[in-house]
Amino acid sequence: SAVISQKPSRDICQRGTSLTIQCQVDSQVTMMFWYRQQPGQSLTLIATANQGSEATYESGFVIDKFPISRPNLTFSTLTVSNMSPEDSSIYLCSVPYTDTQYFGPGTRLTVL
Amino acid sequence: DQQVKQNSPSLSVQEGRISILNCDYTNSMFDYFLWYKKYPAEGPTFLISISSIKDKNEDGRFTVFLNKSAKHLSLHIVPSQPGDSAVYFCAASEDFNKFYFGSGTKLNVKP
Repeated sequence: SAVISQKPSRDICQRGTSLTIQCQVDSQVTMMFWYRQQPGQSLTLIATANQGSEATYESGFVIDKFPISRPNLTFSTLTVSNMSPEDSSIYLCSVPYTDTQYFGPGTRLTVL
Repeated sequence: DQQVKQNSPSLSVQEGRISILNCDYTNSMFDYFLWYKKYPAEGPTFLISISSIKDKNEDGRFTVFLNKSAKHLSLHIVPSQPGDSAVYFCAASEDFNKFYFGSGTKLNVKP
């Protein structure tokens, strides 16, 4: 299995600020994904982080709001910019590995 | 438009009995299906998968059934244990990259 870690595990932020979430995988993987789980809802894909090229965003998500970096095959960051209370969610990274997708433990973000 | 649906938000089962969690999808191009378990404050944990070439996959107490014609899959847990109490998500994908998730079913296994 792939072991995935995320930092920070949780944070409380003020409206208008930005937070960068880190995702580290213990294996080299071509693709990494960023998901969001809003309170009481399912997981929604934000974007695909591709190493060596720009991230691919899903409908409803834009690069200015959620810039993503992918400097190498084991690491990615997601920034939540100019935060509002509606951004309060759990943010998760995931990677496809062998026969499934593995998820990180998530970053619980609360925006006041 | 939600492509994967879990119509039961919650399920309560007695310990030792069978838990059946259901999932429906609309996209006939989905070929890969996964079930995850999620505890509060943790990331989803992979449970079991099935591809469209199969109609059943079994792993210990967990069995997933796929009915492609009905666009329906289910997860059976036998026997259910209190430690199984969690939120269960089904997910589906065409290409094993982008997955669509259901809204989850909260399972409560009573001792």
